[in-house]
Amino acid sequence: EAQVTQNPRYLITVTGKKLTVTCSQNMNHEYMSWYRQDPGLGLRQIYYSMNVEVTDKGDVPEGYKVSRKEKRNFPLILESPSPNQTSLYFCASSPGTGLYSPLHFGNGTRLTVT
Amino acid sequence: GENVEQHPSTLSVQEGDSAVIKCTYSDSASNYFPWYKQELGKRPQLIIDIRSNVGEKKDQRIAVTLNKTAKHFSLHITETQPEDSAVYFCAASKGHNDMRFGAGTRLTVKP
Repeated sequence: EAQVTQNPRYLITVTGKKLTVTCSQNMNHEYMSWYRQDPGLGLRQIYYSMNVEVTDKGDVPEGYKVSRKEKRNFPLILESPSPNQTSLYFCASSPGTGLYSPLHFGNGTRLTVT
Repeated sequence: GENVEQHPSTLSVQEGDSAVIKCTYSDSASNYFPWYKQELGKRPQLIIDIRSNVGEKKDQRIAVTLNKTAKHFSLHITETQPEDSAVYFCAASKGHNDMRFGAGTRLTVKP
């Protein structure tokens, strides 16, 4: 089944403890991105990748890192999580980098930082 | 950069009635406008999209209209059903790295 898989679905951690949220897609998509969803703010882009080894900042990149060493995986790294990073996170992928390629979202990761 | 405003934030309708959600955008260069539906606890999923060279697009009970001059676009759902209850997001884009989402509309369809 074609899908975007995120893990874990739920994560509770403490301030400063490094964590990684994994994202994998099995559709051979070129484009991948990370969003955070907060009440009243919609979906805001954190980082995106147009292809392997090509990543760039979105609207809210502070406190996050990503890597794209292979086409299928796009992990989101929080080196030192803080409570303001408590949010619902979505990974998304797209067949191409063209304007009209639809985004396919993962199931989300609900992160709580205490 | 692009700024997308979405109204209303919540909308409650009776089953069978129509629902309309409106979005405005700021960047006149935006030329792609997708709509996503997010059911409770699930991922956002594309339900319909429209390109700037088209004024209206329909897919069964769902339609989207675009007014480029006024920089606004709307989602219309006719004959609403309880399964239409969800959060709906509009977005405007010049490219994937430029896609901006509205804040979302929580639609409730009462049986």
